[in-house]
Amino acid sequence: AQSVAQPEDQVNVAEGNPLTVKCTYSVSGNPYLFWYVQYPNRGLQFLLKYITGDNLVKGSYGFEAEFNKSQTSFHLKKPSALVSDSALYFCAVRNGNTGKLIFGQGTTLQVKP
Amino acid sequence: KAGVTQTPRYLIKTRGQQVTLSCSPISGHRSVSWYQQTPGQGLQFLFEYFSETQRNKGNFPGRFSGRQFSNSRSEMNVSTLELGDSALYLCASSPWGGATNEKLFFGSGTQLSVL
Repeated sequence: AQSVAQPEDQVNVAEGNPLTVKCTYSVSGNPYLFWYVQYPNRGLQFLLKYITGDNLVKGSYGFEAEFNKSQTSFHLKKPSALVSDSALYFCAVRNGNTGKLIFGQGTTLQVKP
Repeated sequence: KAGVTQTPRYLIKTRGQQVTLSCSPISGHRSVSWYQQTPGQGLQFLFEYFSETQRNKGNFPGRFSGRQFSNSRSEMNVSTLELGDSALYLCASSPWGGATNEKLFFGSGTQLSVL
């Protein structure tokens, strides 16, 4: 079975502080992992992906994610949060055999000035 | 290039009715996926179409169906609406779909309210 878990419904961080949004996954075979962001009244936008290679992946808007195979995790990080980063963040995993892309429940990031 | 277009933006229906939602993918994209978004369940995968064929399907009842036309435009139909069908329905397109390194491009969604 294929699944994604985002254990935190909401993450609160002060502007300028580092942020982490957690994600763990379960999938048969090699994991293909993604992060998307959703701003109010908008569809999802792609942030970054891990397919193979370096465990630290860099993406849009200064975000990066760290792939950890032994912990089956793919946490999203940013060194210094901005108020404008406040949004709903989704982690997703693609099954390499079926191509099906499954999303986690989403984590609301609130960055306060 | 125009983005993914979903129509209508908002819909209000009553229980028992049926509804059809439309999605026009980015020009040249052949894969269209549909997702249901609710506050409690997050994003749930409905189905994916590629070249007019359903390639993947989620765990939704048969009341939810879809199709894709030769120009890659897709429609989703929900029959015998239930209150629990109230949700934001998101459509996403990609050039090939299913490719492991491919990202999805999402529309803004159709907000369906069932009364």
